[in-house]
Amino acid sequence: KAGVTQTPRYLIKTRGQQVTLSCSPISGHRSVSWYQQTPGQGLQFLFEYFSETQRNKGNFPGRFSGRQFSNSRSEMNVSTLELGDSALYLCASSRLTPDNSPLHFGNGTRLTVT
Amino acid sequence: SQQGEEDPQALSIQEGENATMNCSYKTSINNLQWYRQNSGRGLVHLILIRSNEREKHSGRLRVTLDTSKKSSSLLITASRAADTASYFCATDSIIQGAQKLVFGQGTRLTINP
Repeated sequence: KAGVTQTPRYLIKTRGQQVTLSCSPISGHRSVSWYQQTPGQGLQFLFEYFSETQRNKGNFPGRFSGRQFSNSRSEMNVSTLELGDSALYLCASSRLTPDNSPLHFGNGTRLTVT
Repeated sequence: SQQGEEDPQALSIQEGENATMNCSYKTSINNLQWYRQNSGRGLVHLILIRSNEREKHSGRLRVTLDTSKKSSSLLITASRAADTASYFCATDSIIQGAQKLVFGQGTRLTINP
């Protein structure tokens, strides 16, 4: 069974630009969660989707948005990039909701904002 | 602030020794999970322990949960160089009316050959 796939693996953008990250979950998994990981803040929850509906959202500004498609694939978008958005963005899928079943993580997208 | 906090932040031991990491949390939980992360890669799920369980084993891993103290520990026995990684606990908690999985800051474990 293929694991969680995130694309692209690395991304370099400049301030003010926008970026779209993609995540393909494990087949059959209906929940997709996104996390931002930085050395200073650790793993911060961005949002979670379940069957195309945003079930939960973390404390991030409106510049961060996401969506889930009918095939469970998910995208997240960050507009008007800031230097502080440089981070490893991790996507994880689970068969049920994350609080009840293990998360399966992709290897992340490393975003650098210059 | 994080729901779970790991202790110690960093741990360095010799290969073959046992490694113990602790996690404390603040609110009631339904379950607690442990994950491992190798440098620059995604997290890998290790164990999920439910609030009505006190101990769980998986290979060389042993997890305990004490809900009265709101704490959990992860023990890795007979450590190997490949165990070098960061270890995170994650707890489900109600934040702003929604149930979320919240990760601690992690323990960085180094196994010296």
